[in-house]
Amino acid sequence: DIQLTQSPSFLSASVGDRVTITCRASQGISSFLAWYQQKPGKAPKLLIYAASTLQSGVPSRFSGSGSGTEFTLTISSLQPEDFATYYCQQLNSYPLTFGGGTKVEIK
Amino acid sequence: QVQLQESGPGLVKPSETLSLTCTISGGSVSNYYWSWFRRPPGKGLEWIGYISYSGITNYNPSLNSRITISVDTSKNQFSLKLSSVTAADTAVYYCARRDTTGYYYFWGQGTLVTVSS
Repeated sequence: DIQLTQSPSFLSASVGDRVTITCRASQGISSFLAWYQQKPGKAPKLLIYAASTLQSGVPSRFSGSGSGTEFTLTISSLQPEDFATYYCQQLNSYPLTFGGGTKVEIK
Repeated sequence: QVQLQESGPGLVKPSETLSLTCTISGGSVSNYYWSWFRRPPGKGLEWIGYISYSGITNYNPSLNSRITISVDTSKNQFSLKLSSVTAADTAVYYCARRDTTGYYYFWGQGTLVTVSS
């Protein structure tokens, strides 16, 4: 199985901050990576797919980059509604796997 | 707008079989692949397995011997059965559609299943 390691696992930030979350894969996954946002009691929301493609309707402050084994999710200016947990997911091979998550909380 | 809704018992006894159904509205089960995921309390997301509209399946090897996923095109539903459950199977279970991009945009709201006697 491909392991995804997210860092940090917890992040405290203020509204307006630039936030970067990293996801490292245990082996190359090309660009077959997605980023999700999840809030308590809600389903995961797809933000980015194919490592860097913004899902329709997602604010442009979210961006993704990377390929191979290292990927990043950047929120250029954190908004109050962005406080949530973020997960990366690899779709290069089965079984599909997720990172452990990054919880973004208000400083 | 496609909507997915999970349904099934919220409480299952240890050693019994967990059964959930995902009903699709606003779209057809045909021509797509459909997955189950879960999130145990305090843990991250886990992919359980998928089924195609034609019945092709692929299961997570960590659960393979206990999983059955089936599809009912006449009811626009697909289902999950997980046998011999333990407390470790307590989780919020989600159904989701794999889009033509290969990624998962449409998800159900999730349903909590607790394994306890």
